[in-house]
Amino acid sequence: EPEVTQTPSHQVTQMGQEVILRCVPISNHLYFYWYRQILGQKVEFLVSFYNNEISEKSEIFDDQFSVERPDGSNFTLKIRSTKLEDSAMYFCASSDLPGANVLTFGAGSRLTVL
Amino acid sequence: KQEVTQIPAALSVPEGENLVLNCSFTDSAIYNLQWFRQDPGKGLTSLLLIQSSQREQTSGRLNASLDKSSGRSTLYIAASQPGDSATYLCAALDNYGQNFVFGPGTRLSVLP
Repeated sequence: EPEVTQTPSHQVTQMGQEVILRCVPISNHLYFYWYRQILGQKVEFLVSFYNNEISEKSEIFDDQFSVERPDGSNFTLKIRSTKLEDSAMYFCASSDLPGANVLTFGAGSRLTVL
Repeated sequence: KQEVTQIPAALSVPEGENLVLNCSFTDSAIYNLQWFRQDPGKGLTSLLLIQSSQREQTSGRLNASLDKSSGRSTLYIAASQPGDSATYLCAALDNYGQNFVFGPGTRLSVLP
């Protein structure tokens, strides 16, 4: 069964460092998303991406965050200068038709900021 | 702004019992609602997707219902098994955006 893959599974970084989280969505999907889940809290929407541009973003997704689809397969989330409160599990998801079909999530990348 | 809540927060049942998990949302103008399962430290696995025009969806021992007018969805699990132990999340997709709003989840423990 097709799956969304994410790397790394766990990253530890120092506060102020840049982090890039990578995702390979399902190959025929066109809509891509990042969500995050701080330990013990709800899953929160960060950003959606379609046709090489951001289609929607939450208030969490400030200037420190950016997303990119550098080639035909990868979808990345960059955090420019990490803060302690960025520590969370980051989930990538993809869909072929938003709303009509299921949203498929990756296993997540755990980010720990020290 | 859409708010999604789930009750109970945690549930512990003996194996074989039928159970119901509840999800409520404040804005009935939803496009669809999806139920997910999350195992500790893992990602989210989609269980059932209900479109706004549908009343229920079934997959094996799982049945999800949707009542938009009352802002509620339920997930019914029949003949529960220890392998069903996980956190169950509901998420509502509203008509105005592409993002799902998640509930806090119900942590289910099925005891052998």
